[in-house]
Amino acid sequence: ILNVEQSPQSLHVQEGDSTNFTCSFPSSNFYALHWYRWETAKSPEALFVMTLNGDEKKKGRISATLNTKEGYSYLYIKGSQPEDSATYLCAFKRGSTLGRLYFGRGTQLTVWP
Amino acid sequence: DTEVTQTPKHLVMGMTNKKSLKCEQHMGHRAMYWYKQKAKKPPELMFVYSYEKLSINESVPSRFSPECPNSSLLNLHLHALQPEDSALYLCASSPLLRDSTDTQYFGPGTRLTVL
Repeated sequence: ILNVEQSPQSLHVQEGDSTNFTCSFPSSNFYALHWYRWETAKSPEALFVMTLNGDEKKKGRISATLNTKEGYSYLYIKGSQPEDSATYLCAFKRGSTLGRLYFGRGTQLTVWP
Repeated sequence: DTEVTQTPKHLVMGMTNKKSLKCEQHMGHRAMYWYKQKAKKPPELMFVYSYEKLSINESVPSRFSPECPNSSLLNLHLHALQPEDSALYLCASSPLLRDSTDTQYFGPGTRLTVL
């Protein structure tokens, strides 16, 4: 069993606050780390795929960093908006392209107006 | 077309029923996946098809039977399920890029309830 841990489990912030959450994964045999945003009753939406140690990715107000040596990734949201409310999932892939994704349980973000 | 569709959205079935879940993508992706998600748990991989052939079966009970009739379609046939099989079933597809950036794109899932 491969453990992917996400923290915190849930987060409530006010509109305009910046926030960040963590994904921890095994550092051995790393292949890729994925971040998804999942709104209720919708499909999980791919945010980032990160493959190299020190990678930084950005999409609008959302950014992510990757440390493969110590096995963690941070997701940052700057100036949170109510439409950012969703569950943010990370998924670790090891070995190869056809390797399975190991998901964390997600961080549920609620942004209050 | 950049989405993965799944039908039905909801399904209620008895333990003696036979039903099927359907997944479709028109992005030209060469790999398709079935995941199962129980409440408050992470999605767990069930099956992977690559180039229409079953590549991975994560020791799933035979009451779940996957089928990939062509590169755009993926079915999951259900027979003699148990109440503990009630879950959200997610389908995904990916282009099968040769580098590590291959990304899985998900459908919205089928919420299955077994009575």
